[in-house]
Amino acid sequence: GEDVEQSLFLSVREGDSSVINCTYTDSSSTYLYWYKQEPGAGLQLLTYIFSNMDMKQDQRLTVLLNKKDKHLSLRIADTQTGDSAIYFCAEDRGGSYIPTFGRGTSLIVHP
Amino acid sequence: DVKVTQSSRYLVKRTGEKVFLECVQDMDHENMFWYRQDPGLGLRLIYFSYDVKMKEKGDIPEGYSVSREKKERFSLILESASTNQTSMYLCASSPRGLSGANVLTFGAGSRLTVL
Repeated sequence: GEDVEQSLFLSVREGDSSVINCTYTDSSSTYLYWYKQEPGAGLQLLTYIFSNMDMKQDQRLTVLLNKKDKHLSLRIADTQTGDSAIYFCAEDRGGSYIPTFGRGTSLIVHP
Repeated sequence: DVKVTQSSRYLVKRTGEKVFLECVQDMDHENMFWYRQDPGLGLRLIYFSYDVKMKEKGDIPEGYSVSREKKERFSLILESASTNQTSMYLCASSPRGLSGANVLTFGAGSRLTVL
């Protein structure tokens, strides 16, 4: 199976909260990441979380980590049309510097 | 503003042609990566390099080679392009950190079409 799994699509209404989920398999991952890819662009880092943390908040973004279940989520509060993008979850392979990316979740925000 | 620059945003090549995709970073990063991105498949690692003249195969190296003669430049080479190599190619770099998060900086991508 895949190392990092995420659903492919999420559709939300503007102003609602979005929750993008991810599961990973490598229990030795030290850091887990969320990247954002806007149309026609490369990926850019949104946020990351250290594996000994449960939660990290940064303005409208909240990252939750459940190490027992190997589950990572990204919550975007008050979702705006500018948040429409593909969101990738990633982990460092075996604690190395080589990340493994999920397939990406396309977030569609409609009025 | 630090960045990773991919020289070609769009290329159209014919089957059998040799293709060079160039990537330059100005952040003095040790690590550089080439990924391809296909709809529904996400990012797949082709090759990576952790130092000048060093290269390692990623998950899908077949049909590709790389060159890293200078620290700032990492080139992806398709010796004989085929239609199944039509894709978006993304270059990235990261610093060699002994600890801490390994954050990749990506280029804008090179969309290659092989006819």
